Amino acid sequence: GQNIDQPTEMTATEGAIVQINCTYQTSGFNGLFWYQQHAGEAPTFLSYNVLDGLEEKGRFSSFLSRSKGYSYLLLKELQMKDSASYLCAVSRTNAGKSTFGDGTTLTVKP
Amino acid sequence: DADVTQTPRNRITKTGKRIMLECSQTKGHDRMYWYRQDPGLGLQLIYYSFDVKDINKGEISDGYSVSRQAQAKFSLSLESAIPNQTALYFCATSPGRELAGTDTQYFGPGTRLTVL
Repeated sequence: GQNIDQPTEMTATEGAIVQINCTYQTSGFNGLFWYQQHAGEAPTFLSYNVLDGLEEKGRFSSFLSRSKGYSYLLLKELQMKDSASYLCAVSRTNAGKSTFGDGTTLTVKP
Repeated sequence: DADVTQTPRNRITKTGKRIMLECSQTKGHDRMYWYRQDPGLGLQLIYYSFDVKDINKGEISDGYSVSRQAQAKFSLSLESAIPNQTALYFCATSPGRELAGTDTQYFGPGTRLTVL
């Protein structure tokens, strides 16, 4: 089976930096997704990591360590609109589907 | 225009009723998925399909059935709805790793279902 762990809630201040961690245990690991989901809305794709290292995309970066079963999403220069749930999802080789963590609800305060 | 659409967007029904949720996509993706989301939780996979003749059970398929009528359409049915099926339901599509290198998923807007 798969086990995906993320913190349930985090709070940060506008303009600051926040790091959301995700740890996983799975066989046949292929890659790791991060999705953003605003309350009552659909998840939207943020990033996908296959290889170890940091992928930067504007204010958002995602890191993966395959050997440690660990990823994080780094959000810089936080804005109020970044208040949302962030879902970590693991993709397995030849499975054609992803398994989602329960998500981390981020609240950005002024 | 939305690439993945779901109907209805909201539905209130009674215990024991049969309900069908519809999903359509114009993305041309072969792979389609149905998820449910309960408050404060992640997405749980109900069923998924890789093409018109392919149906696969997900983590929580009991009490649900699906139909893949065409590449663009994937319907979810609750044969006899019960209150603990009250949830937000999402349809998603994916191009598949063979085509796009990843199985990134693209979600519809969701259907909020309440079973009384």
